Amino acid sequence: NAGVTQTPKFQVLKTGQSMTLQCAQDMNHEYMSWYRQDPGMGLRLIHYSVGAGITDQGEVPNGYNVSRSTTEDFPLRLLSAAPSQTSVYFCASSYSSYQGETQYFGPGTRLLVL
Amino acid sequence: AQKVTQAQTEISVVEKEDVTLDCVYETRDTTYYLFWYKQPPSGELVFLIRRNSFDEQNEISGRYSWNFQKSTSSFNFTITASQVVDSAVYFCALSATVNAGNNRKLIWGLGTSLAVNP
Repeated sequence: NAGVTQTPKFQVLKTGQSMTLQCAQDMNHEYMSWYRQDPGMGLRLIHYSVGAGITDQGEVPNGYNVSRSTTEDFPLRLLSAAPSQTSVYFCASSYSSYQGETQYFGPGTRLLVL
Repeated sequence: AQKVTQAQTEISVVEKEDVTLDCVYETRDTTYYLFWYKQPPSGELVFLIRRNSFDEQNEISGRYSWNFQKSTSSFNFTITASQVVDSAVYFCALSATVNAGNNRKLIWGLGTSLAVNP
């Protein structure tokens, strides 16, 4: 059981470039989410999905797109990278969207936008 | 308001000292869940414990213990006989509903950075 995996671990982009952060889980979890972690701001929810084909916005969705075509994968797309998107990105999953479910996190992707 | 406050930004102790990390929360929900996560220097987020609002029993797991008190809206975390490997940022989080449906959101504290020195 690999749990939640994320690729790449580290990425440098130039302003305006696009890229996709990959997230996969092998626990058959319904709920998946993307967070960004910034110093002094804690973790903030970008987008989430309660199941394949269903996604919704979190608190900081601007500049990011997601899709969920399978239960396992939940990629995060940066359409046109900006320096303000420099951050550490975490993908998480839980068995269901019930509020008591524990979320398990991937190892994170560190993104630097120049 | 739904909010988590970790008032201690940084704590530094010497190995073998006991240390308590404070977590105070605010919520309008009657059913909610509280979590602690650990983020070691390697960066990953590691789940430590989950507690629901109906279970006020304290929990002990090895050197770790948690004290949940609804009367003071606190869910404090104590490490007994701290070790260098306990050095990490510790986050407290509250899972609460965000609208009339069952959608919920994890509301995070800003974390407490614990340094355990040899």
